[in-house]
Amino acid sequence: AQTVTQSQPEMSVQEAETVTLSCTYDTSESDYYLFWYKQPPSRQMILVIRQEAYKQQNATENRFSVNFQKAAKSFSLKISDSQLGDAAMYFCAYKEDTGRRALTFGSGTRLQVQP
Amino acid sequence: GAVVSQHPSRVICKSGTSVKIECRSLDFQATTMFWYRQFPKQSLMLMATSNEGSKATYEQGVEKDKFLINHASLTLSTLTVTSAHPEDSSFYICSAVPGQGATRGYTFGSGTRLTVV
Repeated sequence: AQTVTQSQPEMSVQEAETVTLSCTYDTSESDYYLFWYKQPPSRQMILVIRQEAYKQQNATENRFSVNFQKAAKSFSLKISDSQLGDAAMYFCAYKEDTGRRALTFGSGTRLQVQP
Repeated sequence: GAVVSQHPSRVICKSGTSVKIECRSLDFQATTMFWYRQFPKQSLMLMATSNEGSKATYEQGVEKDKFLINHASLTLSTLTVTSAHPEDSSFYICSAVPGQGATRGYTFGSGTRLTVV
């Protein structure tokens, strides 16, 4: 079974600074998808960024980018120019390429943004 | 696009009663929906996969007779917590798969906070 590990329960960053959230995963599949979701205090899950495993290029969405290391099974999220609104729980998630499978989530990282 | 509506957002019920939670895809058809449970400060744990027109697939350890799932249409899945007890108090979240969901990520409802007293 696939597992997703987030080793940082909490992180803190100063406003306008950069922070990196770590995620590792375990799978025997070669094709899959990886996601980062944000869960603010409202608890609504919001997709931040996604990465297809077959793509070598790291995904980027405005201030959010990932460092995808397939061989190392690592998928970190970098948030640049952190804003107060970035404060939330961040979950790394994995999905197999085949079929309509559910996402497997990591344990989450709580990000605090200091003004 | 790809909006999922979940109701109610909060519900308080007495122990022993049943509660129904609805998950609707508003602007797309969802043949597959997922139900998750989230305890405070923890991650989302998959409870079951709901497939339109067929029986739901439950994860190991989830009581299918307690958590009844019905996916009778392409836009609606319901989760009924039967004979609820205080230990069933939790945050329940549904997720639906749009046509391109396999690659674009799944859309989540806003969740239901269930409190059993």
